Amino acid sequence: EAQVTQNPRYLITVTGKKLTVTCSQNMNHEYMSWYRQDPGLGLRQIYYSMNVEVTDKGDVPEGYKVSRKEKRNFPLILESPSPNQTSLYFCASSDQKSGTARNYEQYFGPGTRLTVT
Amino acid sequence: GNSVTQMEGPVTLSEEAFLTINCTYTATGYPSLFWYVQYPGEGLQLLLKATKADDKGSNKGFEATYRKETTSFHLEKGSVQVSDSAVYFCALTLSGGYQKVTFGTGTKLQVIP
Repeated sequence: EAQVTQNPRYLITVTGKKLTVTCSQNMNHEYMSWYRQDPGLGLRQIYYSMNVEVTDKGDVPEGYKVSRKEKRNFPLILESPSPNQTSLYFCASSDQKSGTARNYEQYFGPGTRLTVT
Repeated sequence: GNSVTQMEGPVTLSEEAFLTINCTYTATGYPSLFWYVQYPGEGLQLLLKATKADDKGSNKGFEATYRKETTSFHLEKGSVQVSDSAVYFCALTLSGGYQKVTFGTGTKLQVIP
């Protein structure tokens, strides 16, 4: 089954304690992205990756890091979490090679609800 | 820059009512337009899309028409069901090597029996 998986689904942590949210896709997609979803703000892109070892900042990258060492995995790292990073996080992937860019569909993971106290 | 504006929610409808969720956009160039749906506790999934002016996307009884003259992509359904209760996101992306996706803020729909 084609899917994007995220772990953990729920996480409660304290300020300053480093954490990693994993993301994996089994569709051989080149493009992966992280979003955060906050009430009234919709989805905002944190980081994206167009291929292995190619990553770039999205709209709200401050306080986050990512890496893309393998095509299937795209972990999100919070080196020193703060309460303003309490949010619902989504990983997404899409296939840049299928058709033109205009047809790209994003496949989303189930989300990770993070609470930083 | 690019932006997507959706009508404020929540929208509450009775079962079998007609649904419209408004979406307008601002974009440099000619975007593709999408509607994503998020059911409770789940990630977003593509509902429908349209890639050029006057295209109509449709799926599961939902429809939206790409209107270039009014820069709109309103979502409609003739008869909603309780199972349609979800959050709906309008989104756009431009062609090119990097497919930046811009999302609206989402509209929550609640359908009551």
